[in-house]
Amino acid sequence: QSVLTQPPSVSGAPGQRVTISCTGSNSNIGAGHDVHWYQQLPGTAPKVLIYSDRNRPLGVPDRFSGSKSGTSASLAITGLQAEDEADYYCQSFDNSLSGHVFGTGTKVTV
Amino acid sequence: EVQLVESGGALVNPGGSLRLSCAASGFAFANVWMNWVRQAPGNGLEWVGRIGPKAHGGTSDYAAPVKDRFTISRDDSKNMLYLQMNSLKTEDTAVYYCTRAAYGLDPWGQGTLVTVSS
Repeated sequence: QSVLTQPPSVSGAPGQRVTISCTGSNSNIGAGHDVHWYQQLPGTAPKVLIYSDRNRPLGVPDRFSGSKSGTSASLAITGLQAEDEADYYCQSFDNSLSGHVFGTGTKVTV
Repeated sequence: EVQLVESGGALVNPGGSLRLSCAASGFAFANVWMNWVRQAPGNGLEWVGRIGPKAHGGTSDYAAPVKDRFTISRDDSKNMLYLQMNSLKTEDTAVYYCTRAAYGLDPWGQGTLVTVSS
């Protein structure tokens, strides 16, 4: 089972701002491990959206931003667009499990 | 271009075995940690395991549900990653992705479907 908890779904109108939370524990996010965010469009492989808490890969619009505090992290999408409809996952590393862990996933509806 | 291409997915009976392959290109494969991640139909992403570069002893780690049944290996001379899956269960049915640990997990292959069913 996932050790990082996300809301199952969030929705917003075009142009609005939405945020997705990712809640972990002291063995993963709280231990200082980087948090990464992925976007998965229907029928495709996941793609990195934010890496190392708040960094955007080349080509990712600045409408997407990441933050981290304590045992939680957040992904914000501003200026929501129809093409942002997708599943979003956070990911970190867990010391207790000695492996990577993913969030439960959040479906964004525009 | 950095690219990962998985192959080997198939329909297999419970209790059977299967080996997946992942061909890497466009980067220094021997120097990086490589991972397998799976996604059951309609479900979220689940980390399966990883293998380190020879410089890190080629060590591997596995998620609890697959530990002692799955084995990850690599052939750096061929830029190939493998996932040997034994004692397969119906709950192992999923699309399996290989992915590189770099700036998060990036890139991802297109995935290969493993179906465990009688």
